Amino acid sequence: DSGVTQTPKHLITATGQRVTLRCSPRSGDLSVYWYQQSLDQGLQFLIQYYNGEERAKGNILERFSAQQFPDLHSELNLSSLELGDSALYFCASSPSLARTSYEQYFGPGTRLTVT
Amino acid sequence: SQQGEEDPQALSIQEGENATMNCSYKTSINNLQWYRQNSGRGLVHLILIRSNEREKHSGRLRVTLDTSKKSSSLLITASRAADTASYFCATGRSGGGADGLTFGKGTHLIIQP
Repeated sequence: DSGVTQTPKHLITATGQRVTLRCSPRSGDLSVYWYQQSLDQGLQFLIQYYNGEERAKGNILERFSAQQFPDLHSELNLSSLELGDSALYFCASSPSLARTSYEQYFGPGTRLTVT
Repeated sequence: SQQGEEDPQALSIQEGENATMNCSYKTSINNLQWYRQNSGRGLVHLILIRSNEREKHSGRLRVTLDTSKKSSSLLITASRAADTASYFCATGRSGGGADGLTFGKGTHLIIQP
C-alpha cells in the first residue's frame, strides 16, 4: 500500500459526458502528479500540482483539467469524453519538488471506460 | 512521446534464473528510476539511480547507468514467480524545476515456475 488513494476504482460512462477522478496523496506529500496509461500511448504524464498550484504540464488535453485543494487532495476533471479517453488514470505523490529526484508513490488507479 | 525504450518488450525465464532488462533514453537526465507494475495495478518504485552514479544495488536488484550511451539496465537475480510483472524505466529531466516522469513502454517479465 503506497498511501495514495484514488476513487473511484472503476468508472463507466458514455461519450460526451464529464467525470471527476479524485486522489489523496500520502500524508505530508505536497506534490501530486496525474498520469494516463493506455495501450496506444503507454504511460503519459498529464499534469503536476505542488501545494495547490499547477507546477508542470505534460500531454494533457484541453478537455482535461485538474486542481489541488488546500487539504492537498487533487481532482482530475475529464470532459466531452471520447472513446479514446478510455484508460487507467494514476495519481502519484512525492514529498517535494527537488527536480523529481524523489521517487513517486502511485495510487491504485481509476479505470475509465467510455462507451 | 516516450523518452525511454525498454528492451526486450517481453521476457520469459525459469524461476531461479537472472533477468536483465535494458532501457535507453534520449535526452540528458538527472536521475533514472525503475518501477514495477503488476497487471493493471499501480506502479511500485524499485530503485533510483542518479546521473553521477554508475551502479546501485537493492536486495536482488542491480541497476547500472551509462550516461555516455544514454542507457540503463536492471538485473533481477534469483528470480521468483512473484517477480512476474511489467518493469518500466522512467526519467526525470535535468535542469531546475520539477516535472512529471517520462516512462518507457516497459518490459513484460514472466517467471515460469
